[in-house]
Amino acid sequence: DADVTQTPRNRITKTGKRIMLECSQTKGHDRMYWYRQDPGLGLRLIYYSFDVKDINKGEISDGYSVSRQAQAKFSLSLESAIPNQTALYFCATSDSGQGMDEQFFGPGTRLTVL
Amino acid sequence: SQELEQSPQSLIVQEGKNLTINCTSSKTLYGLYWYKQKYGEGLIFLMMLQKGGEEKSHEKITAKLDEKKQQSSLHITASQPSHAGIYLCGARRGTGGFKTIFGAGTRLFVKA
Repeated sequence: DADVTQTPRNRITKTGKRIMLECSQTKGHDRMYWYRQDPGLGLRLIYYSFDVKDINKGEISDGYSVSRQAQAKFSLSLESAIPNQTALYFCATSDSGQGMDEQFFGPGTRLTVL
Repeated sequence: SQELEQSPQSLIVQEGKNLTINCTSSKTLYGLYWYKQKYGEGLIFLMMLQKGGEEKSHEKITAKLDEKKQQSSLHITASQPSHAGIYLCGARRGTGGFKTIFGAGTRLFVKA
């Protein structure tokens, strides 16, 4: 079984709809992240969480919100989806006890906003 | 421009040929990661370099870190179709921090 899972894997929605992307991990890591990937732009950090009570904005948090329901679960919400939020979204985890804080990625969620 | 520049943006090589991908940082490197992404899928960790001059290998893939040039290179020997994908470098920002900046990626195509 995968250590970091994301649901759904693919989603098509319409402008203005509320969408939630979910991430679960079995690695026991304390840190979790949400990124989006756009062609030519690489990965950009949306939000990150160091533990259940710690949520921080990344470089492109506008239009997004997150919830850390448990150490193993971190969800990303688009309150009112717009077409430029069409992208590939990745969840990642890391262990603060590891010096280089290597990140482990989920398989991604491909979101299309029409 | 991005903090991490990867070159080339894309690369087409004949199977069996060697190739090199570069990752250059505009800021001090405290550590560098290389990931591979199969098209439309998640990222797979390849290796991590922490010290200047460090070199690591994973099967036929070798990566080096040149701290002075703020640059890392990824070299694939005798490329195979299984090497095709997007290679991304990521740089740690700050010695005590967690934040990782990623390059835009290099798309590698291997012709059989």
